[in-house]
Amino acid sequence: SQKIEQNSEALNIQEGKTATLTCNYTNYSPAYLQWYRQDPGRGPVFLLLIRENEKEKRKERLKVTFDTTLKQSLFHITASQPADSATYLCALEIDSNSNSGYALNFGKGTSLLVTP
Amino acid sequence: DGGITQSPKYLFRKEGQNVTLSCEQNLNHDAMYWYRQDPGQGLRLIYYSQIVNDFQKGDIAEGYSVSREKKESFPLTVTSAQKNPTAFYLCASRRGLAGAETQYFGPGTRLLVL
Repeated sequence: SQKIEQNSEALNIQEGKTATLTCNYTNYSPAYLQWYRQDPGRGPVFLLLIRENEKEKRKERLKVTFDTTLKQSLFHITASQPADSATYLCALEIDSNSNSGYALNFGKGTSLLVTP
Repeated sequence: DGGITQSPKYLFRKEGQNVTLSCEQNLNHDAMYWYRQDPGQGLRLIYYSQIVNDFQKGDIAEGYSVSREKKESFPLTVTSAQKNPTAFYLCASRRGLAGAETQYFGPGTRLLVL
């Protein structure tokens, strides 16, 4: 079965450091992978999409890598701030035939806490 | 404002009762989705729809039903057959039918059983 695994333990880091979150997957052959941020009691918000032919993608203080050989994506937040504290989810397209359309499966997410 | 609205924010269900969660979008998106999230858990796909009058089951469709009579609306009914309905329900939409599209989420509805 298809699985998306993210670190279940919360990640606590000090303000100003780089946070690195991991997403591993099995039984997927993804053309792309997405990362979302979710704050408590709210819906997830899209952050970044990286395609299989892109090794790395950046957006401001965010950086995502995608290694289809290792079946892994890393999500980095540099110069982290307390406002970055949230749960971060990675997502992959489910396997479906063309008649069923497209939908995303999400990992359980990793909770990040940035302390001053 | 463009976006996805869900109502109500909190919903209480009595034993044996069916309840309907509303989801509306004015983004002109073709695809719409319902997810369920339990504490400490990820999002699990309940149902999704790519076009009007058509929808597909997700991983946990049992005990739920949906309709897609209009492009902008995708209501979810939690039936009495769903024995453990307490959860946070999220509706999402996506622009196109092709891949590599991001999903936009509503604010969610929290369903509680009395």
